[in-house]
Amino acid sequence: DAKTTQPNSMESNEEEPVHLPCNHSTISGTDYIHWYRQLPSQGPEYVIHGLTSNVNNRMASLAIAEDRKSSTLILHRATLRDAAVYYCILRDYQTGANNLFFGTGTRLTVIP
Amino acid sequence: NAGVTQTPKFRVLKTGQSMTLLCAQDMNHEYMYWYRQDPGMGLRLIHYSVGEGTTAKGEVPDGYNVSRLKKQNFLLGLESAAPSQTSVYFCASTLAGGLRNEQFFGPGTRLTVL
Repeated sequence: DAKTTQPNSMESNEEEPVHLPCNHSTISGTDYIHWYRQLPSQGPEYVIHGLTSNVNNRMASLAIAEDRKSSTLILHRATLRDAAVYYCILRDYQTGANNLFFGTGTRLTVIP
Repeated sequence: NAGVTQTPKFRVLKTGQSMTLLCAQDMNHEYMYWYRQDPGMGLRLIHYSVGEGTTAKGEVPDGYNVSRLKKQNFLLGLESAAPSQTSVYFCASTLAGGLRNEQFFGPGTRLTVL
C-alpha cells in the first residue's frame, strides 16, 4: 500500500473548524483514502473514506485534491471529544483482505 | 450488540510464559484481525482471518499464533512471551473485504511482559 504523510500534531480551538491534511503523492488509481481516529485509551474508529469526489457524513467531510495526491479531513466544529489521533490510510480495493496500514497519524488537541 | 470485545483487558506475564487473548464479535463479520500498538506508534497487523478456519500472516507475525475455530471468535496466542511483546493488542472485525466495509475495533488488551 502507498504511504501517507501527516503532521505529527495540530491544535484547534473548541467550536472552530479543523482541517487535517494528508499527503499521498504515490497514490494509485485503485487506492481509496480512509480516515480513522483513535480516542485516548480506545481502539480506532472509522471516520470517513473516499475515492475521487468529496465526501460528507455525520462526523466529518473529506476533501480530495483533483490529482488525488493529497486530501483533507474537515471537522466542521471541533469539540473536546474530537481530541484524538487521526490516521489517514490508503486502501487498494484490488486487495482482498481489507488490511489497514496505520502510520503515526496526527494528534489533534482541542483547546477549550 | 456488544460489538467487538476483548478478554482480558490487562495482563502481566513473565518472560517465557504463555497466554491466549480472546476476541469475540457479535456482528456476524467474516474478517477478523489482530493488531499491536507500541507507545507512540500506529497499529501494526499481526495476523488476520478471512473466514472460519482460515488465518494468514500480517506485517509482524513472529512469536504469535492464531486460530479461528468459530466465526465469532479469533484467538491470539503467545507461546513464549518476550519483553518485546509488551504492547497494547487490538482486535478488529469487518463484514467482508470490500472497501465500503469499515473495521470495528475492540477496546484493547494491555500486555506487559517482564
